[in-house]
Amino acid sequence: KAGVTQTPRYLIKTRGQQVTLSCSPISGHRSVSWYQQTPGQGLQFLFEYFSETQRNKGNFPGRFSGRQFSNSRSEMNVSTLELGDSALYLCASSLNSGVAFSYNEQFFGPGTRLTVL
Amino acid sequence: LAKTTQPISMDSYEGQEVNITCSHNNIATNDYITWYQQFPSQGPRFIIQGYKTKVTNEVASLFIPADRKSSTLSLPRVSLSDTAVYYCLVGDRPGAGSYQLTFGKGTKLSVIP
Repeated sequence: KAGVTQTPRYLIKTRGQQVTLSCSPISGHRSVSWYQQTPGQGLQFLFEYFSETQRNKGNFPGRFSGRQFSNSRSEMNVSTLELGDSALYLCASSLNSGVAFSYNEQFFGPGTRLTVL
Repeated sequence: LAKTTQPISMDSYEGQEVNITCSHNNIATNDYITWYQQFPSQGPRFIIQGYKTKVTNEVASLFIPADRKSSTLSLPRVSLSDTAVYYCLVGDRPGAGSYQLTFGKGTKLSVIP
């Protein structure tokens, strides 16, 4: 079974631009979560989508948004990029939403390395 | 708000058993304890998950005491390839109908030849 895939793997943008990252979950998984990882803040939860609905949202500004399609693929968008948005963006998929199931293994993709200049 | 506390770093020689302890004093009744491993520039990888007592799989064991306020990840006979950051997580419910995994700083394990 194929793992979680993320595209692109690397991205360079300039301040003020916007960016869209894509995540394809493991086949059959309906939950997709997004995380931001930086050396200073570590791994931080952005949001979770389940059955095309945002179930949870972390403490990030509204410039960070996402959506999920009917095939469970998800996209994350960051508008008006800032230097501090440079990070590794990780996507994780799981069979069910953690809201309903406490036992909920998440499978992470390799991430998209975003550099904002 | 820190949900878990674990050592920042640990060193071990190859072939030794490594035990990493994590404290989670405010764990909720229905939360599981999960450990992830992360290599540089890769996404975290699930290692093991448990609710109470002892859980063992092909790569690790997880010991959870009766009060569930802590847990210990045990890696038998580590090798150089086990050098990574290990995260201990419990569920986080910041509000009604919401759930998320909150990663702490993790423990950076360095295996020495």
